[in-house]
Amino acid sequence: DSGVTQTPKHLITATGQRVTLRCSPRSGDLSVYWYQQSLDQGLQFLIQYYNGEERAKGNILERFSAQQFPDLHSELNLSSLELGDSALYFCASSVGADPWADEQFFGPGTRLTVL
Amino acid sequence: AQRVTQPEKLLSVFKGAPVELKCNYSYSGSPELFWYVQYSRQRLQLLLRHISRESIKGFTADLNKGETSFHLKKPFAQEEDSAMYYCALRDQGAQKLVFGQGTRLTINP
Repeated sequence: DSGVTQTPKHLITATGQRVTLRCSPRSGDLSVYWYQQSLDQGLQFLIQYYNGEERAKGNILERFSAQQFPDLHSELNLSSLELGDSALYFCASSVGADPWADEQFFGPGTRLTVL
Repeated sequence: AQRVTQPEKLLSVFKGAPVELKCNYSYSGSPELFWYVQYSRQRLQLLLRHISRESIKGFTADLNKGETSFHLKKPFAQEEDSAMYYCALRDQGAQKLVFGQGTRLTINP
């Protein structure tokens, strides 16, 4: 078990709604990464936080936002949801700030379905 | 732009046959590449990184700068190799990993 936890496991909601996905990193890891996995786009990096600060940004839409709290858990907020936002959202964590220097440990993912 | 291409979404081979999962990249700097794997009902995990020059579970991957490739190979496939494989590139400028679209490998008995 990699130790990264994500809640909820599944989420079904309607278009236009807002949801929050939660991630707790492994004990001792300071970086949290968010990824979106969809059938047509594969695994897309969204955003990284390191010790509470935004570290790197990927293909994250303006409708999406994230934050990392003092206890290092992170939340990904998705608003004005569209059908195309349906995907598996992964969280990963690593010890340091550089995503290539330390192995990223992935969580089980949250499956979001937008109807 | 930095890009990782895995041309095969699906790959099916028989047990005992050689397997090669293709990965091509475009990157202006000195590339650093990785392979990640996700087995059924398990989490995505690092398989190997090119700087380590290691063989993990019988898999190897050689960086070919001339062909801008980092293909993953195994001489004799096993049924437990069935999984989703992602190739990833370190993007130094953007401080992130860029993933390919993934290849689903199925090993037939």
